[in-house]
Amino acid sequence: EPEVTQTPSHQVTQMGQEVILRCVPISNHLYFYWYRQILGQKVEFLVSFYNNEISEKSEIFDDQFSVERPDGSNFTLKIRSTKLEDSAMYFCASSDGDRAYEQYFGPGTRLTVT
Amino acid sequence: DAKTTQPTSMDCAEGRAANLPCNHSTISGNEYVYWYRQIHSQGPQYIIHGLKNNETNEMASLIITEDRKSSTLILPHATLRDTAVYYCIVRAVSSGTYKYIFGTGTRLKVLA
Repeated sequence: EPEVTQTPSHQVTQMGQEVILRCVPISNHLYFYWYRQILGQKVEFLVSFYNNEISEKSEIFDDQFSVERPDGSNFTLKIRSTKLEDSAMYFCASSDGDRAYEQYFGPGTRLTVT
Repeated sequence: DAKTTQPTSMDCAEGRAANLPCNHSTISGNEYVYWYRQIHSQGPQYIIHGLKNNETNEMASLIITEDRKSSTLILPHATLRDTAVYYCIVRAVSSGTYKYIFGTGTRLKVLA
């Protein structure tokens, strides 16, 4: 069964450093998402992406965040200058055109900012 | 999107049906009920969704009351692998991307 993959599984970085989290969505999917979950808290929507542009973003997704689909298969989330409060599990998700409501989530990248 | 209310936690014996309720009294006519679950620290997983008719798939059944103010997700024969947090989300259908707002959900523990 096709699945969403994410790399790395765990990333440790120092405050102020840039990080790029990578995702490979399911190949025929059209809609792409990033969510995050701070330990012990709710899953929070960050951004949705379709047709090479952002469809919607949350208040969390400020100028420090950006997304890109550089080559038609990868979908990346960049955090320009990480803060301690960016420490969380980051989930990528994708869905297809016919069943857009059914988002397939990846296993997540645990980001630890020290 | 309408607000939902779910019990914080529930237990269920293995092999028995798990019935997870959700209240959504302010749901509007074009809003669907979606259920996802999150097993341990994995990414959420889609289970089922419905508008007003009862729905069934290979994972679960969804019963929506006639007034649509509440619904129940039923796992007919719960197994230990069904231990997870279950999220009930109400939102309108979209022709494009779906922004899901996850609440705190119901933590279901299936007991051996």
